Amino acid sequence: GAGVSQSPSNKVTEKGKDVELRCDPISGHTALYWYRQSLGQGLEFLIYFQGNSAPDKSGLPSDRFSAERTGGSVSTLTIQRTQQEDSAVYLCASSFSGVNTGELFFGEGSRLTVL
Amino acid sequence: DAKTTQPPSMDCAEGRAANLPCNHSTISGNEYVYWYRQIHSQGPQYIIHGLKNNETNEMASLIITEDRKSSTLILPHATLRDTAVYYCIVRVPQMEYGNKLVFGAGTILRVKS
Repeated sequence: GAGVSQSPSNKVTEKGKDVELRCDPISGHTALYWYRQSLGQGLEFLIYFQGNSAPDKSGLPSDRFSAERTGGSVSTLTIQRTQQEDSAVYLCASSFSGVNTGELFFGEGSRLTVL
Repeated sequence: DAKTTQPPSMDCAEGRAANLPCNHSTISGNEYVYWYRQIHSQGPQYIIHGLKNNETNEMASLIITEDRKSSTLILPHATLRDTAVYYCIVRVPQMEYGNKLVFGAGTILRVKS
């Protein structure tokens, strides 16, 4: 497709289980971002990729959260030993790397519910 | 990045212009103003951005005051589908952070028929 694709769209898991969320960015976009949005809250930055490297991981809330990107394309966000407070919509965005473009393209998000 | 202040909510009549204000009094010379919106249950959508000149595209107009301490996003003919949270973001593009954006609480715009 032409846009940012995320999967799964919905995930329900039990506390303590690991989950993986996937993001397929727009073809040609070298920059990729993960955000999360808890119910009724704003968007919280998690991590930024430039190619396969992550120069900014400052938003990852704990060491249970990790992300990788391979081939300069697909990215996976992994949450280990999920907790109820991890319940949120996880949004992925991609963009060109030119610093003045300003435009991030967001996917529809993966809604995670931890029971 | 400079902090922004937006009203928490606004109402607008369908077909009328929606004018959404944003204060960014601590903006520095190389910081851009970006506007995004988030319609319920969707990912955020880019609207427009500018440095100091007014900008217009097919979605909206951005008016930045001469001192750059505030700006206004204008939706010229609001429709019900424009009901969303509108985010004003001020930042300087930094190579090591790409186009990372920090979102505040935004303004909930309700367009009413």
